Amino acid sequence: GAVVSQHPSWVICKSGTSVKIECRSLDFQATTMFWYRQFPKQSLMLMATSNEGSKATYEQGVEKDKFLINHASLTLSTLTVTSAHPEDSSFYICSALRDRGAHGYTFGSGTRLTVV
Amino acid sequence: AQTVTQSQPEMSVQEAETVTLSCTYDTSESNYYLFWYKQPPSRQMILVIRQEAYKQQNATENRFSVNFQKAAKSFSLKISDSQLGDTAMYFCAFISGTASKLTFGTGTRLQVTL
Repeated sequence: GAVVSQHPSWVICKSGTSVKIECRSLDFQATTMFWYRQFPKQSLMLMATSNEGSKATYEQGVEKDKFLINHASLTLSTLTVTSAHPEDSSFYICSALRDRGAHGYTFGSGTRLTVV
Repeated sequence: AQTVTQSQPEMSVQEAETVTLSCTYDTSESNYYLFWYKQPPSRQMILVIRQEAYKQQNATENRFSVNFQKAAKSFSLKISDSQLGDTAMYFCAFISGTASKLTFGTGTRLQVTL
C-alpha cells in the first residue's frame, strides 16, 4: 500500500533555531502534499498545500516566512520552521494525495516539535 | 465554505458492544466525498471508511459501517463488536469533488473498556 514517511518523529530545538521536517512518499509520486498542525486533543488544522515545482498555498493566518515549504520533487516535501519559538511547539502531520480522482490521501506518522 | 460538526467530544463503549459516532456537514456542493479517520495514541492517521456522495449504498468495511443520509447531511459511523484496539480519536472529514483539501471535524474520543 501507499506509504508516507515523515522524519523526524520528534525533535527538540532551542528557541531561535530552525527545524526541518521531511515528508516522503515511498512508493508513489505525489504532486500535492499537505501540512497540518495539531494541538493536543484538537483536530488537524491545515497549514498549507504543497505543490511540486511551484509555490505552496498557505491557509489564512499561517505565516509564510515562518513556515517554509519546499516541494522540489514528486516524492519529497519539506517544512522548515524558522526562528522557532515555544509557541511553535506542536504536532505536525503531512499528507500526500496519491489518487486525485478517488481523493486518496496517505498520512505521515507526524512530528512532535518541542521548542525550549 | 464547508463545515463538519462532530457533537460528541467523548464516548465510551464496552468491548464487543456497538457504538455510533455522529457527524453532520454543511455544503452546497452536490459532488463530494466523506471520510472517517482513526487516530490512535500513536497519532498515525488511518482511513477507516469513505463514502462517495453519489452512491446511495452505505459503505461498509468489516466491523465499520456508515449511515449516510444525504438530505439530512448526516454521516454517522457504526462500530460493531468493539475491540480494545478501536480506542482512538475519530475524525469525520469532507472534501468536495473538485477540491483537494480535506475539512476535518473536531473529533470524537472513543474509549473501549473491558
